[in-house]
Amino acid sequence: ETVLTQSPATLSLSPGERATLSCRTSQNVDIHLAWYQQRPGQAPRLLIYEASKRATGIPARFSGSGSGTDFTLTISSLEPEDFAVYYCQQRKQWPPLTFGGGTKVEIK
Amino acid sequence: QLQLQESGPGLLKPSETLTLTCTVSGGSISRSRHFCGWVRQPPGKGLEWIGSITYSGTTYYNPSLESRLIISVDTSKNQYSVRLSSVTAADTAMYYCARHSDCSDDCVPAFDVWGQGTLVSVSS
Repeated sequence: ETVLTQSPATLSLSPGERATLSCRTSQNVDIHLAWYQQRPGQAPRLLIYEASKRATGIPARFSGSGSGTDFTLTISSLEPEDFAVYYCQQRKQWPPLTFGGGTKVEIK
Repeated sequence: QLQLQESGPGLLKPSETLTLTCTVSGGSISRSRHFCGWVRQPPGKGLEWIGSITYSGTTYYNPSLESRLIISVDTSKNQYSVRLSSVTAADTAMYYCARHSDCSDDCVPAFDVWGQGTLVSVSS
């Protein structure tokens, strides 16, 4: 099973600041990694797939990078609606599909 | 546009069998290498993949749940179901169904369409 480790667990930032979230995988997943945003009380929403491709309707302030075992989600300038929990997920080695434990981006 | 909607009992007793249904509207999940997947989230915790199924009925299960799990499809109703037997309090969670794919061309290989989820509580 490929384990995904996200860091930090919590990121405290102010609106307008840049957010950098990390996801490390226990095995090489090439670029087969996705990022999701989950706001309170809502289902997860796909942001990024294949490490760097933005899903339909996702603002350009969200970007993904990385390959192999180290990946980054960057939010260039935080908007109020971006304060949420973010998960990474791999599809290279499955079953099982696996998710990271999440990073909460909270208002400082 | 494609929509998914979960339904099922909100409350179960320990040792009972959980059965949830995902109804797909606005299309189908019939393309090659496309799946209906089930994901759950215990209160205040992260996401766990339960299992997935293709339109033709090929299943993929999380090994940690496989001994208690059956996922099926009813193509005539455009519905997918998950059955989890011998539930315990540890199975208390929000359960989501979501479309995902495992292809490389002309597709989105991730969970791109989600249902709103249904909360299942297990308590005596």
